[in-house]
Amino acid sequence: EVQLVETGGGLVQPGGSLRLSCTASGLTISTDYMSWLRQAPGKGLEWVSIIYSGFSTYYADSVKGRFTISRDNSKNTIYLQMNSLRAEDTAVYYCAREKDRYFDFWGQGTLVTVSS
Amino acid sequence: SYLLTQPPSVSVAPGKTARITCGGNNIGSKSVHWYRQKPGQAPVLVISYDKDRPSGIPERLSGSNSGNTATLTISRVEAGDEADYYCHVWDSSRNLRVFGGGTKLTVL
Repeated sequence: EVQLVETGGGLVQPGGSLRLSCTASGLTISTDYMSWLRQAPGKGLEWVSIIYSGFSTYYADSVKGRFTISRDNSKNTIYLQMNSLRAEDTAVYYCAREKDRYFDFWGQGTLVTVSS
Repeated sequence: SYLLTQPPSVSVAPGKTARITCGGNNIGSKSVHWYRQKPGQAPVLVISYDKDRPSGIPERLSGSNSGNTATLTISRVEAGDEADYYCHVWDSSRNLRVFGGGTKLTVL
């Protein structure tokens, strides 16, 4: 059974930083494309970033230059380093596996709140 | 960037057919995926590549895609179908993943 568990969310002040983690079981992140997506309160889904099996990374324009996706194959974990956080980054952040250009497995999400 | 447009809400009586649209410029040339999200839960894939159902998704759910509109059709709607539905495409020109704004399906 595939499980993705996100951790690291919380309350952070504007301009602050936070690192999210997503630990996988039942799949091997080193051979998969793994994404972060988010959903602001009461809003729709927004794709944030992806890391390919070959370590290539891509970002939504809204986070480019502020967020960094990475992974640790030995821990079967991906990360999202979020810097210069803004109020509009407040959201539930999900990690998901992308298979053949669709997202087939999702975590339950972790809430990030950016507020003073 | 590529834009996907969904109606904010669709209402349907039990047993009837619900159609949720996803509009985009020449979306028929892209592969569209659909997700269902119930309150407090993560999204779940219900249709991939315009019309393919993952295992466990009932045949009542079907998809189509042509021209500037993709459609998710839910036949014989049940109370349990009430949820938010999102369409999704891969924007190959910029290697971005794009979602529609979502449609809230209400079962009357």
